Amino acid sequence: EVQLVESGGDLVQPGGSLRLSCVVSGFSFSTYWMSWVRQAPEKGLEWVATINTDGSDKKYVDSVKGRFTVSRDNAKNSLYLQMNSLRVDDTAMYFCATGHWADYWGQGTLVTVSS
Amino acid sequence: DVVMTQSPLSLPVTLGQPASISCRSSQSLVHSNGNTYLHWFQQRPGQSPRRLIYKVSNRDSGVPDRFSGSGSGTDFTLKISRVEAEDVGVYYCMQVTHWPPITFGQGTRLEIK
Repeated sequence: EVQLVESGGDLVQPGGSLRLSCVVSGFSFSTYWMSWVRQAPEKGLEWVATINTDGSDKKYVDSVKGRFTVSRDNAKNSLYLQMNSLRVDDTAMYFCATGHWADYWGQGTLVTVSS
Repeated sequence: DVVMTQSPLSLPVTLGQPASISCRSSQSLVHSNGNTYLHWFQQRPGQSPRRLIYKVSNRDSGVPDRFSGSGSGTDFTLKISRVEAEDVGVYYCMQVTHWPPITFGQGTRLEIK
């Protein structure tokens, strides 16, 4: 059974940092590009970042460039999102998903940025 | 960036009746390799998104055959032949032909009338 389990979401003050994790099982993680997608409360889906299979290629939406860093550890079947200089408008549910195809999704982890 | 525009944004449907959602892109989604990377997702209340259709018209495993996708170029459609109660939720189109960024439509909320 395919599983993607996110963790690391929390309440954080503006300007703070968080590191999200996504642990996967049930498929060959090292052969999949992976993505982070977020959804602000009562809003639509927004792509955040994508990383290729060996971590050498990373793409970001403009609004997070320079603040967020996507990474992966294929030995641990894990995807990460380091989020720095967090802003109130980064408040969202963050989902990990399989690359461009998005055929598998996690259940999400909630990040709330508020003072 | 490619802008994806869905309509309608709200779709009240009677059980057993058909439903249709339109998704239009600001530029052609035909990739240089000939493929069109337009996918459809369903997000039921309180759940993660689930892919229904990939590359315009390919139904995912386990997706009922009442769901179908069609279209080409800049105009795409998701159709439900007979709406059931479990179809309530928000539907999104997503393009990956011209990325980054990957872009989604605004979402169409389907409800039972």
